[in-house]
Amino acid sequence: QKEVEQNSGPLSVPEGAIASLNCTYSDRVSQSFFWYRQYSGKSPELIMSIYSNGDKEDGRFTAQLNKASQYVSLLIRDSQPSDSATYLCAVNRGTGRRALTFGSGTRLQVQP
Amino acid sequence: KAGVTQTPRYLIKTRGQQVTLSCSPISGHRSVSWYQQTPGQGLQFLFEYFSETQRNKGNFPGRFSGRQFSNSRSEMNVSTLELGDSALYLCASSLDPDQPQHFGDGTRLSIL
Repeated sequence: QKEVEQNSGPLSVPEGAIASLNCTYSDRVSQSFFWYRQYSGKSPELIMSIYSNGDKEDGRFTAQLNKASQYVSLLIRDSQPSDSATYLCAVNRGTGRRALTFGSGTRLQVQP
Repeated sequence: KAGVTQTPRYLIKTRGQQVTLSCSPISGHRSVSWYQQTPGQGLQFLFEYFSETQRNKGNFPGRFSGRQFSNSRSEMNVSTLELGDSALYLCASSLDPDQPQHFGDGTRLSIL
């Protein structure tokens, strides 16, 4: 079992729709969770971080965390073609462990 | 505030050569991590440094090495280059290992 799993996609949504990206992780002691966006040919950019159960909203982005289910998701409301990118889920397993473990990413395509 | 700076941006080497890549973290950040990214393997963890100490190392051969200086700048070295070392090498910095990481633009290494 991979430490951080994501569906590779592509996930295709029409412009204006809600895109839902999912991530599961295997280590129950994981402490903090991050979403990165990576455009083709560019480096990953941090867009959301979440540390406790529940929802965290930032503009059109909402991160959701459920530690009991070991599940973290990212919702993108009113999706725009400029949101088309690969979204990487990253998990911090706590002090002393490797800083971040990344999933392989989900490619999102927003159709105009 | 300046971001993470990686130099050089592009490198072309031949098999058997060695290469040194440099990373200057965001001012005040003491943790630096290195990743290799290839289309087939995604983001793979190389090393993590904090306060000049290597905290963690990924599953890469001994040809890959790194270090961190007292000003938090970091270098990684790859010796006896192989064709399979062609990749985007990314450096990320954070205040400490438990904080979100911010990536530089990367060094694209091509081995001929």
